[in-house]
Amino acid sequence: DSGVTQTPKHLITATGQRVTLRCSPRSGDLSVYWYQQSLDQGLQFLIHYYNGEERAKGNILERFSAQQFPDLHSELNLSSLELGDSALYFCASSVDLELNTEAFFGQGTRLTVV
Amino acid sequence: GENVEQHPSTLSVQEGDSAVIKCTYSDSASNYFPWYKQELGKRPQLIIDIRSNVGEKKDQRIAVTLNKTAKHFSLHITETQPEDSAVYFCAASTREYGNKLVFGAGTILRVKS
Repeated sequence: DSGVTQTPKHLITATGQRVTLRCSPRSGDLSVYWYQQSLDQGLQFLIHYYNGEERAKGNILERFSAQQFPDLHSELNLSSLELGDSALYFCASSVDLELNTEAFFGQGTRLTVV
Repeated sequence: GENVEQHPSTLSVQEGDSAVIKCTYSDSASNYFPWYKQELGKRPQLIIDIRSNVGEKKDQRIAVTLNKTAKHFSLHITETQPEDSAVYFCAASTREYGNKLVFGAGTILRVKS
């Protein structure tokens, strides 16, 4: 157990819908990263939050948004879902901003868009 | 932005042989290079990491080497075992356009017994 909790584990929804994925980082970790992993693909960086502030953006679609709350949990919102959004979404947390320490991954949320 | 290239995409070795996976990165300011192992359906887990002030690091059967001049780093697994079969990802930290960890595309390692 990495200490990073993601909910839900599985999500099946229809095209055009909106979903929210939740991530609770390890106790004491201020950084949260979101990654998308499509079938047979690598880990595509989406966004990084540190202590409530957005610190970096990757190839995140405009239909996707995220935020980190004062209690440091983070949510990734996916809207106007398309079939191609089906993927495994991971969040990871680390203690610092400077990326010199291990990032711990949650178990992921498997999103299936039908 | 930072680009991390990883080779090979698949690697098959006989049990007991060594496996080597190589990565190159583009951001010369990158200073942290972790390697993650991902088993089927599970989360990536860190197996070893190296920082830019070190050229080599070893942990039992796993070692990582870093060449900052050439901007490449490699993972070496010796005496491979069937349980080493997994997908391995290299990554590099970057501060280009914000702090993030950029991953390579992954290497599927199969250890045949």
